[in-house]
Amino acid sequence: ETGVTQTPRHLVMGMTNKKSLKCEQHLGHNAMYWYKQSAKKPLELMFVYNFKEQTENNSVPSRFSPECPNSSHLFLHLHTLQPEDSALYLCASSRTSGGETQYFGPGTRLLVL
Amino acid sequence: RKEVEQDPGPFNVPEGATVAFNCTYSNSASQSFFWYRQDCRKEPKLLMSVYSSGNEDGRFTAQLNRASQYISLLIRDSKLSDSATYLCVVNSGEFSGGYNKLIFGAGTRLAVHP
Repeated sequence: ETGVTQTPRHLVMGMTNKKSLKCEQHLGHNAMYWYKQSAKKPLELMFVYNFKEQTENNSVPSRFSPECPNSSHLFLHLHTLQPEDSALYLCASSRTSGGETQYFGPGTRLLVL
Repeated sequence: RKEVEQDPGPFNVPEGATVAFNCTYSNSASQSFFWYRQDCRKEPKLLMSVYSSGNEDGRFTAQLNRASQYISLLIRDSKLSDSATYLCVVNSGEFSGGYNKLIFGAGTRLAVHP
């Protein structure tokens, strides 16, 4: 299934590095999301974009910076991360932002050293 | 009280067994309900939506009880390939900033053994 793709799939970075995660959806959806999933914890919503506009920033630290140039692409720019930021970062999309089914990409497994 | 609560398990069952999971939610305004499946180190995938009248998809049956605010998932004739974590997902029921968010439970782990 290639409805939602994410790159890279794995990323190791130092605390002083800057990196970006990329997500692309091929489903014609209008809403896109970033989630963080830490071990044995529920998914945590980070950001929501609806028609390219950010509608939710769930108290995420500024070291995470999202960018949505169009309805099909979503980026998460990372800088000066902490080891506790190590997690699986999942991108998802849905037709609208009205609480309907979301489809997930395979995720980026991030390790911060 | 958590917005969505699930028994974490694990549920260890033999092949062919019937197993049921429950999930409770706190917001009576919630309108959309789903079960997702997540395999180890993979992304969540939609298993089925849950409708008011209950619905079935092959060996899987989902039920909604609005009065008691819980949803259930029944798996009949368990297969080894059913081993995964099952996530209960509920929408918040409220629009905030034009957005109605999905709330994910922490998941129930199922292990089916030969």
